[in-house]
Amino acid sequence: DAGVTQSPTHLIKTRGQQVTLRCSPKSGHDTVSWYQQALGQGPQFIFQYYEEEERQRGNFPDRFSGHQFPNYSSELNVNALLLGDSALYLCASSLPEGASPLHFGNGTRLTVT
Amino acid sequence: GDSVTQMEGPVTLSEEAFLTINCTYTATGYPSLFWYVQYPGEGLQLLLKATKADDKGSNKGFEATYRKETTSFHLEKGSVQVSDSAVYFCALRSSTNSNSGYALNFGKGTSLLVTP
Repeated sequence: DAGVTQSPTHLIKTRGQQVTLRCSPKSGHDTVSWYQQALGQGPQFIFQYYEEEERQRGNFPDRFSGHQFPNYSSELNVNALLLGDSALYLCASSLPEGASPLHFGNGTRLTVT
Repeated sequence: GDSVTQMEGPVTLSEEAFLTINCTYTATGYPSLFWYVQYPGEGLQLLLKATKADDKGSNKGFEATYRKETTSFHLEKGSVQVSDSAVYFCALRSSTNSNSGYALNFGKGTSLLVTP
């Protein structure tokens, strides 16, 4: 049973560029959440997608956008990259109920230079 | 807003020592509480959870009790092993409503190192 898979595992971008990160949820899950984890910090909620729509959003600027596809996979897009966007980006999948536990992928390490 | 505060690390213990990692929260209503563990180079794994006051979550020898009177959810283990070395995160999910009950609020994490 495949868990949550994320690609790529590592990425280096230059300030001002745009990046797209990808996530495939665990089999049977239809809800995808994205978190940003800065070095030495806890994950911060970016947004959650369900039924191809953004269901809840955290305190992140509009430069952060996402998409969910009919097969439940998801993308996170970040425009106009800043040095401060350097972090581990975690995708988590779950069932739609609020109490459903999250299953996390291993993350994408983004470095902005 | 809702938040979680957990003790600063790193915590260094000898194998078979007793572990406590403190976690307190601020929230309105009745949040759900979680402990997640992150091993080096990996994503987070759910360790245990509690969804209402006085519930005790337990898994792999770890346990934590949801104490509403002290707004706490301290993680404990009676005898740690080298393989328990990891970063531990306390997290909160607000009382579910139609717009804000889906995000987890995480603490900053506590690094645990267990030495032989």
